Amino acid sequence: DIQMTQSPASLSASLGETVTIECLASEDIYSNLAWYQQKPGKSPQLLIYYANSLNDGVPSRFSGSGSGTQYSLKINSLQSEDVSIYFCQQNYDSPYTFGAGTKLELK
Amino acid sequence: EVQLVESGGGLVQPGRSLKLSCAASGFTFSNYDMAWVRQAPTKGLEWVASISTGGGNTYYRDSVKGRFTISRDNAKSTLYLQMDSLRSEDTATYYCARAGSPHYWYFDFWGPGTMVTVSS
Repeated sequence: DIQMTQSPASLSASLGETVTIECLASEDIYSNLAWYQQKPGKSPQLLIYYANSLNDGVPSRFSGSGSGTQYSLKINSLQSEDVSIYFCQQNYDSPYTFGAGTKLELK
Repeated sequence: EVQLVESGGGLVQPGRSLKLSCAASGFTFSNYDMAWVRQAPTKGLEWVASISTGGGNTYYRDSVKGRFTISRDNAKSTLYLQMDSLRSEDTATYYCARAGSPHYWYFDFWGPGTMVTVSS
């Protein structure tokens, strides 16, 4: 199975700040990487697919980058509604594995 | 508006069976690959099973292979997950999810989930 190592596990940032979450795959996943946002008590919502494609309706302050085994999610100008848990997921090979999540809180 | 609504969860004893359903609306269900993803309490996400548009191709994670069966009824726009020989480690919220692109297993819409608790 492809292991997805996400960091940091938790993050505290101020409104307006830029934050970056990293995801490291145990092998090359050829940009088959998605990012999701999950708010408490809710189902996940797709933010980014193919490593850097923004899903419909997602604010442009979210962006994704990376290739090979290393990927990142950047949130510019942090807003209060961005407080969530963020997960990465590789969809290159079955089983399609997720990172353990990054809990983003406001400072 | 795309909607996915799961049902069928509940409390079940180890070794027993449960069948989950997911009613889809707001899109042409038969055009999309579909999947089940679960999340144990306060844990991360885990892909469980996937099915192709026509139902002819199914895929499972190893821990549920031989115990779970994913299926679909395109005429009813409904996805199913038959879960047999349930174990305590199957306790989770089960989400129905739509594949974002043909044969690419990232998920662009998710249902609210249905909770399955396996306990004696």
